[in-house]
Amino acid sequence: TQLLEQSPQFLSIQEGENLTVYCNSSSVFSSLQWYRQEPGEGPVLLVTVVTGGEVKKLKRLTFQFGDARKDSSLHITAAQPGDTGLYLCAGPFYNAGNMLTFGGGTRLMVKP
Amino acid sequence: ETGVTQSPTHLIKTRGQQVTLRCSSQSGHNTVSWYQQALGQGPQFIFQYYREEENGRGNFPPRFSGLQFPNYSSELNVNALELDDSALYLCASSSGRTGRAGANVLTFGAGSRLTVL
Repeated sequence: TQLLEQSPQFLSIQEGENLTVYCNSSSVFSSLQWYRQEPGEGPVLLVTVVTGGEVKKLKRLTFQFGDARKDSSLHITAAQPGDTGLYLCAGPFYNAGNMLTFGGGTRLMVKP
Repeated sequence: ETGVTQSPTHLIKTRGQQVTLRCSSQSGHNTVSWYQQALGQGPQFIFQYYREEENGRGNFPPRFSGLQFPNYSSELNVNALELDDSALYLCASSSGRTGRAGANVLTFGAGSRLTVL
């Protein structure tokens, strides 16, 4: 079974601070995705990383895929209250495209 | 284009009962996946339907079953409900069969929150 472990589980920071969320596995993934989920909503795809060592930026969010394709990180610069939510990493089951295994999530709260 | 819609949004059942949850996929999407998200956890894959056939299944017992209709909408049925079935059930649609280019983009609905008493 391919497992994804996220850390930290909870993070509470002040507006303007930087943070990094980690997603780790002992298995190699063909790709990893990051989602954000807000209360009462389904997860929304933020990014897909597919190449080992790849870095993608989405405004103040920077996503990196590990060289060995076993881990990924999400870095947020100058966090804002609107960044509050549950951040989930996900990868395909045994490279089976869009059947995903998810990490347990990191719940982020950004206080004004 | 319309997104993924799920119904009902909330429901309460008692142990041993049966429940049916419904999902309308996003326009142009022919693949539907169902996930269970327990409180405080990440979603867990239940199964996927492509062109009305089950295309893959996670580690869930047979009392979890599904259907996909010709219009690509889908149902999730759970028999003999247990307390641990209390969760948010998420439906996600995508275009194309798993493994093919463009098939990895999932659009999730807002979910159906099931409480089993």
